[in-house]
Amino acid sequence: AQSVTQLGSHVSVSEGALVLLRCNYSSSVPPYLFWYVQYPNQGLQLLLKYTSAATLVKGINGFEAEFKKSETSFHLTKPSAHMSDAAEYFCAVSDQSGYSTLTFGKGTMLLVSP
Amino acid sequence: DAEITQSPRHKITETGRQVTLACHQTWNHNNMFWYRQDLGHGLRLIHYSYGVQDTNKGEVSDGYSVSRSNTEDLPLTLESAASSQTSVYFCASSEGQEVSEQYFGPGTRLTVT
Repeated sequence: AQSVTQLGSHVSVSEGALVLLRCNYSSSVPPYLFWYVQYPNQGLQLLLKYTSAATLVKGINGFEAEFKKSETSFHLTKPSAHMSDAAEYFCAVSDQSGYSTLTFGKGTMLLVSP
Repeated sequence: DAEITQSPRHKITETGRQVTLACHQTWNHNNMFWYRQDLGHGLRLIHYSYGVQDTNKGEVSDGYSVSRSNTEDLPLTLESAASSQTSVYFCASSEGQEVSEQYFGPGTRLTVT
């Protein structure tokens, strides 16, 4: 079965600093990969998705992620953190059957300090 | 605008009671999903449906059931609530059979005392 590992349950950055949230997946076939963001007391919303087209995927709010097959990684980055980026971020991988079920990582809480 | 709603947003119930959480989407999506979110576990899939009359068990389905009588609704029932089912529950939907993004509801916080 596919799985997702997010390294670090909490990541702290200063405003203006680079954001790097790590995601590694296990899948025997090329997966679809997603990053979602969850603000306090809200549902999840999609940041970006990889569906086997370009390996560098750009999302909303200045985030991007790069699919690296050799490293089985899909790390999320943003060049300059804003206070409004403080939230929990989830990486997810598609079910190998090609249908729509997703397996989520345990999440990384991003803390942004002034 | 299309949306996905959940009700109630907060619920407190007692151990052993039957509880039903509602999920309604106006996206006209075929696929609907129920997850629970617990600290340290992320989101775990409870049940899902690919269309009317279709239901499937997810990773943590014990003690839960769903039914799909129309496209818009997928209610989640806890047959006999247990304290271990205290959690935040999210409903989501997506379209088609191809892998596509899921749209999430705002969540229901359930406390079982």
